[in-house]
Amino acid sequence: GIQVEQSPPDLILQEGANSTLRCNFSDSVNNLQWFHQNPWGQLINLFYIPSGTKQNGRLSATTVATERYSLLYISSSQTTDSGVYFCAVVYSGNTPLVFGKGTRLSVIA
Amino acid sequence: GAVVSQHPSRVICKSGTSVKIECRSLDFQATTMFWYRQFPKQSLMLMATSNEGSKATYEQGVEKDKFLINHASLTLSTLTVTSAHPEDSSFYICSARRGYDEQFFGPGTRLTVL
Repeated sequence: GIQVEQSPPDLILQEGANSTLRCNFSDSVNNLQWFHQNPWGQLINLFYIPSGTKQNGRLSATTVATERYSLLYISSSQTTDSGVYFCAVVYSGNTPLVFGKGTRLSVIA
Repeated sequence: GAVVSQHPSRVICKSGTSVKIECRSLDFQATTMFWYRQFPKQSLMLMATSNEGSKATYEQGVEKDKFLINHASLTLSTLTVTSAHPEDSSFYICSARRGYDEQFFGPGTRLTVL
């Protein structure tokens, strides 16, 4: 099946710093989503981005489908950005999302 | 975004009992619902996919007789953990999707089996 790799696995940032999270996938995909899992376990949808670039406040994402990767940018990080960021892909039709292992982000004041 | 609810959020039960978890899509009709399981500090693992009115498709290694899934309507799916044992303790998360659109997740259910 499709492989989804995220890097880095762990990241510690000072409040106010910027960061880039990467998601590589091993095959062409129909859909790609980025999530933030908060400390209570809730998965929050950040972006639905099978291709192109999107921005939402301090967050933006770019997916280059032909090169099989996606990037999530976090600017001016805040302590509330802490948590785990997951990339997940749909590789065919109506198949379910396949998740990467996540990037655990800690933002310290 | 769309809202998916899940109930209960937390359950503690004795070994051997059965536990039912409900998942509802509140503001859209979900043609497909998914159940995931997550162990501490790990990623989400897909357990099964269910379409309204048809039998669920289970992932390899998931016991269909232990994890009973019912998708009775376009807004409701249930997961029943039968004869639960301590090794079934985990965080269970449901998800819903309309067609090939974006997938949305419930808040999860933390199951502890004593």
